[in-house]
Amino acid sequence: DAGVTQSPTHLIKTRGQQVTLRCSPKSGHDTVSWYQQALGQGPQFIFQYYEEEERQRGNFPDRFSGHQFPNYSSELNVNALLLGDSALYLCASSLVGSYGYTFGSGTRLTVV
Amino acid sequence: AQSVTQPDIHITVSEGASLELRCNYSYGATPYLFWYVQSPGQGLQLLLKYFSGDTLVQGIKGFEAEFKRSQSSFNLRKPSVHWSDAAEYFCAVGVSFQKLVFGTGTRLLVSP
Repeated sequence: DAGVTQSPTHLIKTRGQQVTLRCSPKSGHDTVSWYQQALGQGPQFIFQYYEEEERQRGNFPDRFSGHQFPNYSSELNVNALLLGDSALYLCASSLVGSYGYTFGSGTRLTVV
Repeated sequence: AQSVTQPDIHITVSEGASLELRCNYSYGATPYLFWYVQSPGQGLQLLLKYFSGDTLVQGIKGFEAEFKRSQSSFNLRKPSVHWSDAAEYFCAVGVSFQKLVFGTGTRLLVSP
């Protein structure tokens, strides 16, 4: 049974560009949450998707947006990239209402 | 606002020695508390969680943690550390809608 799959694993972008990160949740899970982990920091909650809608959002600007598809997979989009967006982006899936998260290995984004 | 403090950025322990990682939280209601471990280049793996009941909780890999409401603490312990335990450890508190608020992490180094 596959866990959470994230793609790509690494990505290098230039300031001002846009990026899309992808996440396939664990089989049977219906909720996807995204976290940003800057170097030397703990993960910070970006937002959560359930039933194709944003259910809750953390303290991130509108440049960060997302989407959830009918098959529960999800995308994280970041526009107008800044150097400070360089981080490991983690996707976590779960069942709605459950703290039983499964985390993916993350996408390492470097903005130059 | 909810927050988690992990006062030790790095800890070095000799292999076979005991380990205690500190975690203090700030949360108005009864907290849901978690410990996760992250190996380099990997996502987060749940070690243990506390929701209610017995304040001493057992986890995977021989870890345990004790919830102390009076001290707002949830310290992680292991009686005998193995070299494979070297990793980054994160304490987290669960808030509304399954959102996790993480501490900044403690890097565990294991010396021979």
